[in-house]
Amino acid sequence: AQSVTQPDIHITVSEGASLELRCNYSYGATPYLFWYVQSPGQGLQLLLKYFSGDTLVQGIKGFEAEFKRSQSSFNLRKPSVHWSDAAEYFCAVGSDPYNAGGTSYGKLTFGQGTILTVHP
Amino acid sequence: GAGVSQTPSNKVTEKGKYVELRCDPISGHTALYWYRQSLGQGPEFLIYFQGTGAADDSGLPNDRFFAVRPEGSVSTLKIQRTERGDSAVYLCASSTLTRSSYNEQFFGPGTRLTVL
Repeated sequence: AQSVTQPDIHITVSEGASLELRCNYSYGATPYLFWYVQSPGQGLQLLLKYFSGDTLVQGIKGFEAEFKRSQSSFNLRKPSVHWSDAAEYFCAVGSDPYNAGGTSYGKLTFGQGTILTVHP
Repeated sequence: GAGVSQTPSNKVTEKGKYVELRCDPISGHTALYWYRQSLGQGPEFLIYFQGTGAADDSGLPNDRFFAVRPEGSVSTLKIQRTERGDSAVYLCASSTLTRSSYNEQFFGPGTRLTVL
């Protein structure tokens, strides 16, 4: 079964400081990995995604994430945080929609989320 | 273009009542997902449709929950005999489900269900 762990429930940083949000996953095959952001009253917005290729992926709003297979991690980073980045961040793992048998799977498994607070 | 829409945005009901939650996916998206997000938790998968059929309903918690997508577009999540523990935000997402999309799912704003 696939699972995601986000060890930090709540992180506080100062505006302009760097940020790293941790994500560890468990998955038996090559994972699809995602980071979503959820602002109060808003839907989930995709920041970035990874399936194959370059292990460092760039996303929107200046975010990046690095896939490390040996550590089963997909940590999210940003060099300089802005006050508008305050939100809840979710890491998610999904399966290849078309597995070898031709059956499609689609569900995402999310972590518990990390709430980011940004001090001015 | 229009994103995923969900109605109503808020639903308050009494224990034991029946509710329906509606999801309008992005036009042309063949895959549709329902998730449930309880307070302080990440979204949890409920059911996945590919076209009109439920390809995976393993996340439905019990037989009080049912979902349909009769024409392969709009979907309705139905909850019978609601219980207070059903209170949560119900999220809908859709996807083109092609290899190039990497199964990127686009989420709606959710329906907040409160069972009194």
